[in-house]
Amino acid sequence: DTAVSQTPKYLVTQMGNDKSIKCEQNLGHDTMYWYKQDSKKFLKIMFSYNNKELIINETVPNRFSPKSPDKAHLNLHINSLELGDSAVYFCASSQGPPGQPQHFGDGTRLSIL
Amino acid sequence: ILNVEQSPQSLHVQEGDSTNFTCSFPSSNFYALHWYRWETAKSPEALFVMTLNGDEKKKGRISATLNTKEGYSYLYIKGSQPEDSATYLCAFHMGADGLTFGKGTHLIIQP
Repeated sequence: DTAVSQTPKYLVTQMGNDKSIKCEQNLGHDTMYWYKQDSKKFLKIMFSYNNKELIINETVPNRFSPKSPDKAHLNLHINSLELGDSAVYFCASSQGPPGQPQHFGDGTRLSIL
Repeated sequence: ILNVEQSPQSLHVQEGDSTNFTCSFPSSNFYALHWYRWETAKSPEALFVMTLNGDEKKKGRISATLNTKEGYSYLYIKGSQPEDSATYLCAFHMGADGLTFGKGTHLIIQP
């Protein structure tokens, strides 16, 4: 049983397209996150959702929009993809207060042609 | 801007030796310090979450300490084994924000 699952694992697309990455967790956690691993392998927080409410929103372009249909899902939608969006995107979830460990998905490698 | 610094950036250790590495973080507005183990082609896996100054946590041969007043944490690995090879990430949690990660220490255990 995969605790945090992301789809697709790989995504290759053209510049200017719109794409979505899906994330689902079956841990019953109430907070979900999206991280971007940049070209220097650095993990940076993009968004987090707690009970369907956005609680942080780092300085990411508004072409990126998180969508949470329910507590178990946090999808990442990206409009007008740019070359600089190429990266690995990780979804994570945690339970309760910020002091709880986060559980990560396996990542989605996005490549923009 | 929060800075979480980890050192060294990479480390080669002989199998059976013990090792340790450092994470430094802002000492103000501290909420929690996380350690994760990240193997190649896998996702980060939580090792420890520490919240109190002076905390010490242990999981098998791996342990960690926390000093929130001076803003550092150490991760120790005793009797290193090849399966310990991974990148070890620390992450700082300042209340309502998400985690701010360091760049990691890349550990290679040589048989």
